[in-house]
Amino acid sequence: EVQLVESGGGLVQPGGSLRLSCAASGFTFRAVPMSWVRQAPGKGLEWVAYINQDESQSFFVDSVKGRFTISRDNAKDSLYLQMNSLKADDTAVYYCARMTLTTNFDYWGQGTLVTVSS
Amino acid sequence: EIVLTQSPATLSLSPGERATLSCRASQTIGEFLAWYQHKPGQPPRLLIYDASNRATGVPARFSGSWAGRDFTLTISSLEPEDFAIYYCQQRYNWPPITFGQGTRLEIK
Repeated sequence: EVQLVESGGGLVQPGGSLRLSCAASGFTFRAVPMSWVRQAPGKGLEWVAYINQDESQSFFVDSVKGRFTISRDNAKDSLYLQMNSLKADDTAVYYCARMTLTTNFDYWGQGTLVTVSS
Repeated sequence: EIVLTQSPATLSLSPGERATLSCRASQTIGEFLAWYQHKPGQPPRLLIYDASNRATGVPARFSGSWAGRDFTLTISSLEPEDFAIYYCQQRYNWPPITFGQGTRLEIK
């Protein structure tokens, strides 16, 4: 059974940093690209970041470029999102999502809430 | 950036009725559009990919179609568990991967 379990969310002050983790199981993690997708309170889904299988490619939505980095440890079946210089607009539930080779999201974690507030 | 516009914002129907949800792309994206179902407190669920292909385990009452820049998700006969928010997502030209703003399907 495919499982994605996020952790690392919480309350952080504006300008602060947070690192999200996603533990994957039930599939060959190193064989698939991964993404982070977020949902701000009362808003829709927003793709945030992508990383390919061997970390040679990563992409970000414009609003987080230069502040967020995505990485993975294929030996630990884990995905990460390092978030720096956080803003109130980054407040959201962050989902880790497995990607198909057709660039869709076929499995999602339950999400972890990040709240940026003073 | 490709913008996806979903309509209506809210759709009020009764169980057993047919639901038709729309998604229009700001430019041609071929058939490279997916649909997701999202219920409160749960992660989104992939329903349809590449406009008309049902994902694994998705009931046959869900179908997708497209013509030009217009995409449609149809639920042939609504079940109580189908009331949720539905999002479309494009993969034709990315980054960024973009979603529509969502259609809330509510019980009438």
